[in-house]
Amino acid sequence: KNQVEQSPQSLIILEGKNCTLQCNYTVSPFSNLRWYKQDTGRGPVSLTIMTFSENTKSNGRYTATLDADTKQSSLHITASQLSDSASYICVVSAPGGYNKLIFGAGTRLAVHP
Amino acid sequence: GAGVSQSPSNKVTEKGKDVELRCDPISGHTALYWYRQSLGQGLEFLIYFQGNSAPDKSGLPSDRFSAERTGGSVSTLTIQRTQQEDSAVYLCASSLMSAGESNYGYTFGSGTRLTVV
Repeated sequence: KNQVEQSPQSLIILEGKNCTLQCNYTVSPFSNLRWYKQDTGRGPVSLTIMTFSENTKSNGRYTATLDADTKQSSLHITASQLSDSASYICVVSAPGGYNKLIFGAGTRLAVHP
Repeated sequence: GAGVSQSPSNKVTEKGKDVELRCDPISGHTALYWYRQSLGQGLEFLIYFQGNSAPDKSGLPSDRFSAERTGGSVSTLTIQRTQQEDSAVYLCASSLMSAGESNYGYTFGSGTRLTVV
């Protein structure tokens, strides 16, 4: 079982609408949780990084939340734009020396006009 | 350069041939990672280099895969006797420090799309 599960797998919304993407993880303990945006044919680009002590972090129209007790995170996108169409990837890392980050499979978002 | 550079961006090869994929990390970044991204799957860790330490090769799927990092900078991922299941996007990332130990971010390259026919 994947240690980082994302939902939904894919999502279609209309331009201007809001949406929320979910990430559930079983990695424990963990050091930080990241959300990345990956445009088609490009590498992932970091949106937010949160430690276990942080509950929310914003980056423009992107707001990530983290509940370390329930091991859930969400990424909320406000007033979506066509350029938000991409895959959004949740990544969790554990502490204790160098670590391999554990990637979710991503949510593919399509914003339609 | 300003970012992580990977080459080639696309590679089509015949089954059984060897391929080399190149990664130029950001200057000064001591940590370098190779990942593989198959269609619809999460990124799969392959190998990690940190400074002059021995690399962590635990993610390499078979002995057909190898990687080296010369002079602590450029890295080459080599796949010998390619198979169709090797078809994927191979992503390289670099970081100032190990991204697991700190909150330093990764910078990813755009990847090499490998197609084995």
